[in-house]
Amino acid sequence: EVQLVESGGGLVKPGGSLRLSCAASGFTFSSYTMNWVRQAPGKGLEWVSSISSSSNYIYYADSVKGRITISRDNAKNSLYLQMNSLRAEDTAVYYCARDSLTGTTWPLWGQGTQVTVSS
Amino acid sequence: DIQMTQSPSTLSASVGDRVTITCRASQSISSWLAWYQQKPGKAPKLLIYRASSLESGVPSRFSGSGSGTEFTLAINSLQPDDFATYYCQQYNSYPLTFGGGTKVEIK
Repeated sequence: EVQLVESGGGLVKPGGSLRLSCAASGFTFSSYTMNWVRQAPGKGLEWVSSISSSSNYIYYADSVKGRITISRDNAKNSLYLQMNSLRAEDTAVYYCARDSLTGTTWPLWGQGTQVTVSS
Repeated sequence: DIQMTQSPSTLSASVGDRVTITCRASQSISSWLAWYQQKPGKAPKLLIYRASSLESGVPSRFSGSGSGTEFTLAINSLQPDDFATYYCQQYNSYPLTFGGGTKVEIK
């Protein structure tokens, strides 16, 4: 089955760190650009970061630049998001999403993992 | 950064209605626009890409149009399953940006 499964979310104090993972299955993970998108409680969607298939191209939203690192391990079919210096405004559901082959649109999403930053 | 503005933010409609949602970009994005549907507690679902191309498996009552800076998502004959929040997203350039969303509610 083609799917993405996120893990690693939880409750963390401001200034803390968290590493999110996204396990891919059912497709050739190494062929696709992968992405993280988040959604704060009651708010809209916000793109966070993208990484190309070979990790040659990496992009970040300004809101997370310098605090968050995206990476992938194609041998393990896994995508990661290392989150440091977390702030209350980083509280959100974090989704991983796979690009299509026709452009930067996302036909495949995980179920999301909740990150809560609170003291 | 390209700002995406959706209107209306909320739309009340009945089953069988035709509804339209507008998305405006702060600068030209050619046809690099997608539409997503999201239901509470669920991940978004891709409906339309490249402004007017229907994603596989999406019912034909959904359609997209526009280019440049103005785009429209239309839903013909609204079905009970269509009550959800809809987002546009530009993928012309990074940072990728979404519109603020349009919630389609039951009238």
